[in-house]
Amino acid sequence: ILNVEQSPQSLHVQEGDSTNFTCSFPSSNFYALHWYRWETAKSPEALFVMTLNGDEKKKGRISATLNTKEGYSYLYIKGSQPEDSATYLCALPDVRGSTLGRLYFGRGTQLTVWP
Amino acid sequence: NAGVTQTPKFRILKIGQSMTLQCTQDMNHNYMYWYRQDPGMGLKLIYYSVGAGITDKGEVPNGYNVSRSTTEDFPLRLELAAPSQTSVYFCASRRKQGAGNTIYFGEGSWLTVV
Repeated sequence: ILNVEQSPQSLHVQEGDSTNFTCSFPSSNFYALHWYRWETAKSPEALFVMTLNGDEKKKGRISATLNTKEGYSYLYIKGSQPEDSATYLCALPDVRGSTLGRLYFGRGTQLTVWP
Repeated sequence: NAGVTQTPKFRILKIGQSMTLQCTQDMNHNYMYWYRQDPGMGLKLIYYSVGAGITDKGEVPNGYNVSRSTTEDFPLRLELAAPSQTSVYFCASRRKQGAGNTIYFGEGSWLTVV
């Protein structure tokens, strides 16, 4: 099992605040990291797929960075809006022989943005 | 494209009953997955498949069975339902080549065992 950890577990911010949270993972056997946005009662929505050390990806007010050597990725939201309220998940594919194909998810960071 | 379709969306089962959650994808994806989501616990892998005829256990397989007779379909069977199986279930798929391939999810199935 790949140990994927996310912190904090939950976050409450005011509209307009910028925020960030972390996904930590084992740095060995790294191939890719996925970020997902998940609203209650909906299926998870893909945000980013990151594969290279130093990768930076951006989608509107949301951006992400990746450090594979130290085993972490940050997700940033600039100027949070109430519609950003969701759970943000990261996932890593397992590429080791006997467990090839598995996908491991962190527990997620639940973001609430108050108007 | 329909993407990943799972049914039913909601179901109430009595303890000891059995049922099958259906999942089908029309993207010709090799990899398919079943996850359950419990509050505060993220997504836990139940079973997965890397291709037709091949299935493997995930982190929490007890009480479930799967089959993969075709590339498109990956049904999840609950035998002798227990209250601990009350959860939200998600089916997902992705292409085989490349660990960076996007994962596509179904809309979820809310199951309550009473």
